[in-house]
Amino acid sequence: NAGVMQNPRHLVRRRGQEARLRCSPMKGHSHVYWYRQLPEEGLKFMVYLQKENIIDESGMPKERFSAEFPKEGPSILRIQQVVRGDSAAYFCASSPVVDWDWVRRYNEQFFGPGTRLTVL
Amino acid sequence: AQSVTQLGSHVSVSEGALVLLRCNYSSSVPPYLFWYVQYPNQGLQLLLKYTSAATLVKGINGFEAEFKKSETSFHLTKPSAHMSDAAEYFCAVSVGEKLTFGTGTRLTIIP
Repeated sequence: NAGVMQNPRHLVRRRGQEARLRCSPMKGHSHVYWYRQLPEEGLKFMVYLQKENIIDESGMPKERFSAEFPKEGPSILRIQQVVRGDSAAYFCASSPVVDWDWVRRYNEQFFGPGTRLTVL
Repeated sequence: AQSVTQLGSHVSVSEGALVLLRCNYSSSVPPYLFWYVQYPNQGLQLLLKYTSAATLVKGINGFEAEFKKSETSFHLTKPSAHMSDAAEYFCAVSVGEKLTFGTGTRLTIIP
């Protein structure tokens, strides 16, 4: 069973360009999470998606950032008009279906290797 | 809201010595707690997790952590450090679906 896959692993963009980061969850996982890791910092939650739905985007910057997880294909994190401050490692995690009949069922997140975005 | 504080951004220990990485949490409800390890230019790997079962949790690679509610702590330990343990370690808390991470501790092993 392949793990979480992210591509590209490294992405270089000039200021003002668009960046598209892709995440393929583990087989059978329908929940995807995106995190951003700035240099010398921990990971910060950005967005949580299920197939075709954004569940929690409380960590997403209000402008230029968007995420989707279509019915078919990978989850996409899109950054428009990138700026130098967007340079970071972006990690995707996935988890299997949560049974919400149980209160606070823990759902382990499996992380991908990350995409390292450099904005010149 | 929940938060995690990792004391010591850099820790150095000699090979064979005890490893102790500190983590304190804040949560308004009983938390789930995790330790992840990140090797250079790689993603995060789960070392161990606390989900309200036994307070002493054993993980992979000889690591363990003890949940102490009275101290709001979840410190990570390993009796004898190996060179291969050199990495960045992150403590995280979960209330609901998202994880909140600490700022990390970089562990260096001295030969």
